[in-house]
Amino acid sequence: RKEVEQDPGPFNVPEGATVAFNCTYSNSASQSFFWYRQDCRKEPKLLMSVYSSGNEDGRFTAQLNRASQYISLLIRDSKLSDSATYLCAVNTGGASGGSYIPTFGRGTSLIVHP
Amino acid sequence: EAQVTQNPRYLITVTGKKLTVTCSQNMNHEYMSWYRQDPGLGLRQIYYSMNVEVTDKGDVPEGYKVSRKEKRNFPLILESPSPNQTSLYFCASRHVAGGPTRSSYNEQFFGPGTRLTVL
Repeated sequence: RKEVEQDPGPFNVPEGATVAFNCTYSNSASQSFFWYRQDCRKEPKLLMSVYSSGNEDGRFTAQLNRASQYISLLIRDSKLSDSATYLCAVNTGGASGGSYIPTFGRGTSLIVHP
Repeated sequence: EAQVTQNPRYLITVTGKKLTVTCSQNMNHEYMSWYRQDPGLGLRQIYYSMNVEVTDKGDVPEGYKVSRKEKRNFPLILESPSPNQTSLYFCASRHVAGGPTRSSYNEQFFGPGTRLTVL
């Protein structure tokens, strides 16, 4: 079983829709969590970190459920420019010196159409 | 401008011909790493380095070497490339300072990627 799993999609939604992605992780000792956005053939860029209490950045809301070991990303009022692949990432380890092992999900593809 | 740079961006080579992909960052980051990204497999870590002269294997190190002689540079070396190393490669870097909990949230910055084809 892969350590970090995502539904690859694609999620095909109209502009203005609300869409949510989940990402499950298997290591209960995982310490930090992230959502990255990756445009086609480009490098991943950090979209937002995911904190225990949940956090919001404009139209984007991220949540962490440690009991069920998943993180989620909610996008409200989708824009055409939101079309991309969304990668979740989980850091595990790091007893000292920041030696965390990052594990990425395979990504969820989002297509927002007019 | 704070950035991670990689060269070359595109490379087509033949089996067995040694090559090096360079990676450089100007953010004074301690941590640097290399990933490969393949369809259906996502990003997988090849090697990482916590600081100068300190390197460790990631998930898929076979067939690769790295070195960290200077803080800003972290080249990826393929001594004898094979077709199964055809992939999109990303270098990344981040700070490690801030203590165990806080530093785990330090943002990782990626280079623009190197698309390698081995014939």
